[in-house]
Amino acid sequence: EAAVTQSPRSKVAVTGGKVTLSCHQTNNHDYMYWYRQDTGHGLRLIHYSYVADSTEKGDIPDGYKASRPSQENFSLILELASLSQTAVYFCASSDNNNQAPLFGEGTRLSVL
Amino acid sequence: GEQVEQLPSILRVQEGSSASINCSYEDSASNYFPWYKQEPGENPKLIIDIRSNMERKQIQELIVLLDKKAKRFSLHITDTQPGDSAMYFCAASRDTGYQNFYFGKGTSLTVIP
Repeated sequence: EAAVTQSPRSKVAVTGGKVTLSCHQTNNHDYMYWYRQDTGHGLRLIHYSYVADSTEKGDIPDGYKASRPSQENFSLILELASLSQTAVYFCASSDNNNQAPLFGEGTRLSVL
Repeated sequence: GEQVEQLPSILRVQEGSSASINCSYEDSASNYFPWYKQEPGENPKLIIDIRSNMERKQIQELIVLLDKKAKRFSLHITDTQPGDSAMYFCAASRDTGYQNFYFGKGTSLTVIP
C-alpha cells in the first residue's frame, strides 16, 4: 500500500535550535514535497525534489533547507528555528505523470 | 509560482442541500486540478480530480466543473451530510517543466444537521 511516513509526528523546539523533519515514501515516486500549513494560508510549498540528490526551492524557502539522499527519503532542516516556524508540516510524494500528491500524516512543530 | 484563489473561506449549509466551492488560477498552462478533503488533525486526502481534457467529472455526490477559458474550476457537493464537514482544498498543476502543485487557502465547510 502506498505510504508516506513522517517523523516525528510532533516536536517542541527552542528558538535558535536545529530541527530536522524526516519523510519516507514507499511509493517509488520521483517527486517529493514539503508543505507548511498555517490557518488562513492553506498549504504552501517550501521545497521539493524530483530526483535523489537534488532539491529545488518552492514558494517559501527562507529559513529552511532540504535534503534528498535517496528516492525514498526527503528531509526538511531548520538550522535556526524561529517562533514564526511554528506550524504543521506535511510531506507528500507524487509520480512524474502529474498525479495528485499523496500526503504524510504531518508533523506539528512548536517553536518556543 | 502559480496563484490559486479559493472562495469562500467559510461555508455553512443545511444537511441535504448543496455546497459549492470555487477556485481560479492564473497559469493557462495548468492542466490538472485535484481536490482534497482534510478532517481535523488529519492529512489532506484526494477526493476527486479533473484534467484539462474534461469539463465535468462526477464521483457519487461530488461534481467538479472546469472552465479553461475563464481559468476557473469548482467543486459541488450534492445532498450534503454531516460527514462532509471538513476543510477542502483545490490545487492546480501543470505537466510541463517542474511538476508543482499549488493550493488554494482552503474552505471550511460545516454541514448543519
